[in-house]
Amino acid sequence: GENVEQHPSTLSVQEGDSAVIKCTYSDSASNYFPWYKQELGKGPQLIIDIRSNVGEKKDQRIAVTLNKTAKHFSLHITETQPEDSAVYFCAASISKAAGNKLTFGGGTRVLVKP
Amino acid sequence: DAGVTQSPTHLIKTRGQQVTLRCSPKSGHDTVSWYQQALGQGPQFIFQYYEEEERQRGNFPDRFSGHQFPNYSSELNVNALLLGDSALYLCASSRRGQGLHGYTFGSGTRLTVV
Repeated sequence: GENVEQHPSTLSVQEGDSAVIKCTYSDSASNYFPWYKQELGKGPQLIIDIRSNVGEKKDQRIAVTLNKTAKHFSLHITETQPEDSAVYFCAASISKAAGNKLTFGGGTRVLVKP
Repeated sequence: DAGVTQSPTHLIKTRGQQVTLRCSPKSGHDTVSWYQQALGQGPQFIFQYYEEEERQRGNFPDRFSGHQFPNYSSELNVNALLLGDSALYLCASSRRGQGLHGYTFGSGTRLTVV
């Protein structure tokens, strides 16, 4: 089955700096790659996603890149703010009509220092 | 518009007991998926229900079972609880045909087995 690895496990950045989180996946059939932010006591919340036919996607301070050949994708957060502090998860899925499931990475705890 | 609601928010059970967790999907959603998130790890897929049937299942033993009702709400049952079943149990809902983009997680039920 699919296996997703995520690095680093913890990341501490100064407010205003950039944060980068990297993930690799094993199943070349995976075609959907979402990123989730999880705050304490809450469920994961989708922040951005990318499909396999796109190499890069941006949404304000957040961007995701995908390299299908190397089977890795990355999350970039620019101009970090204290409210960006949370645990971030990458995930991969094979989107199909019969059903969808997400395989998650182990998570990255991001701390933005004021 | 209410999102995904889960109950209870917390509960404590003794080894060997049975537990039932409940999930009400977001309005307009008809598919419910359950995930187990151990402390410090990413969520792991347990199973998915659509049209009151289990459609996909992850690598979990038969002690984990579920049900979906005609109003699309769902229950997760775990029998013969083990200490290792202690985790945050997340429910995610979606609408068939929309793939994973509309995947919405609840805040979870924190289960502690003592």
